[in-house]
Amino acid sequence: AQKITQTQPGMFVQEKEAVTLDCTYDTSDQSYGLFWYKQPSSGEMIFLIYQGSYDEQNATEGRYSLNFQKARKSTNLVISASQLGDSAMYFCAMREAFSGGYNKLIFGAGTRLAVHP
Amino acid sequence: DVKVTQSSRYLVKRTGEKVFLECVQDMDHENMFWYRQDPGLGLRLIYFSYDVKMKEKGDIPEGYSVSREKKERFSLILESASTNQTSMYLCASSLSGSSYNEQFFGPGTRLTVL
Repeated sequence: AQKITQTQPGMFVQEKEAVTLDCTYDTSDQSYGLFWYKQPSSGEMIFLIYQGSYDEQNATEGRYSLNFQKARKSTNLVISASQLGDSAMYFCAMREAFSGGYNKLIFGAGTRLAVHP
Repeated sequence: DVKVTQSSRYLVKRTGEKVFLECVQDMDHENMFWYRQDPGLGLRLIYFSYDVKMKEKGDIPEGYSVSREKKERFSLILESASTNQTSMYLCASSLSGSSYNEQFFGPGTRLTVL
């Protein structure tokens, strides 16, 4: 069965430093997609970044980048130059095998990041 | 600006009541999803819909039903609310077709069942 594991329930980082949030996944599919979402205390889920299983380069979006290691089945989120507004829950998610365009996602338990001034 | 809206941010109900949670999206998305979020468990899929009047069970459908009479609206129904259904409920929508289409989420409804 497909599964997402985020082993860090909580992390903290000093403002302006970089932080890495870990995510490992388990799937037997060759084609899959990996997503990261941010959830501030207000509750809404904000899409951050996507990595496809066939993408050869690590995805980047502004201060967010992924360290995608396909053989190790990990896709760690790197946030550079942390800001106070980065304090939030971060969820890793995997799209199940493409079937009828449903794009169902499986989510990890999340990592709560606290940025300290 | 794309938007998914949910009818209530906070809701308090009593055990045994019938509860309706409404979700509306304005992006003409085919797919709509209902999740519940509990600490330490992440988001778990309750039901999803890929077209009007079509629905599929997710991972935890017990105690819930859904309705999708119009493309933009997806309702979650708790037929007889119980205290173990106290949770945060999140609605999401997405386009179908491309595998990289992300899901767009509403602000969530925090439901308390007393």
